[in-house]
Amino acid sequence: EDQVTQSPEALRLQEGESSSLNCSYTVSGLRGLFWYRQDPGKGPEFLFTLYSAGEEKEKERLKATLTKKESFLHITAPKPEDSATYLCAVRGAYDYKLSFGAGTTVTVRA
Amino acid sequence: DTGVSQNPRHKITKRGQNVTFRCDPISEHNRLYWYRQTLGQGPEFLTYFQNEAQLEKSRLLSDRFSAERPKGSFSTLEIQRTEQGDSAMYLCASSSSETQYFGPGTRLLVL
Repeated sequence: EDQVTQSPEALRLQEGESSSLNCSYTVSGLRGLFWYRQDPGKGPEFLFTLYSAGEEKEKERLKATLTKKESFLHITAPKPEDSATYLCAVRGAYDYKLSFGAGTTVTVRA
Repeated sequence: DTGVSQNPRHKITKRGQNVTFRCDPISEHNRLYWYRQTLGQGPEFLTYFQNEAQLEKSRLLSDRFSAERPKGSFSTLEIQRTEQGDSAMYLCASSSSETQYFGPGTRLLVL
């Protein structure tokens, strides 16, 4: 069964203080690793899809990287509006469902 | 806005009642998914449709839960004889490729 573990559970940052979130995974044949952002009471908002080890994607202050066992979401010079829960998910080779981690809740103080 | 829509956004019901949720996917997407999310956890997969065919169901989906997608368009998720443990956010997603796009969710509270 596919498994995803995210760390830390919570992260409190000062505005401008860069940091990284970790997503460790085990999956039978990775078809994709996905990062989503979720605000309280809302549905997950798609950020990135990574397909193979060594791949990197960037969007504004966020950069996602992928190895064979884990992915990192780097937040550079965060702003208060980056405060949210960041979810990591994987899709294996044999089905279409996503398996999610529990998320990392990021709080950025001004 | 042509994103995934879900109705209602909130539902409060009494234990033992039946409830039905609706999901309208992004129009050109042929795949539709239902997930359930409880506080502090990531979404958990419930079921998946490709067009009108229900192709995969989770072990989480007890016989009190049923989902349909008539004509491969919108989908409904019905919960019969609701229990307090059914209280959660029910999320719908759709896709035409690898990436799934989520709706705003329906928050269910069973009293």
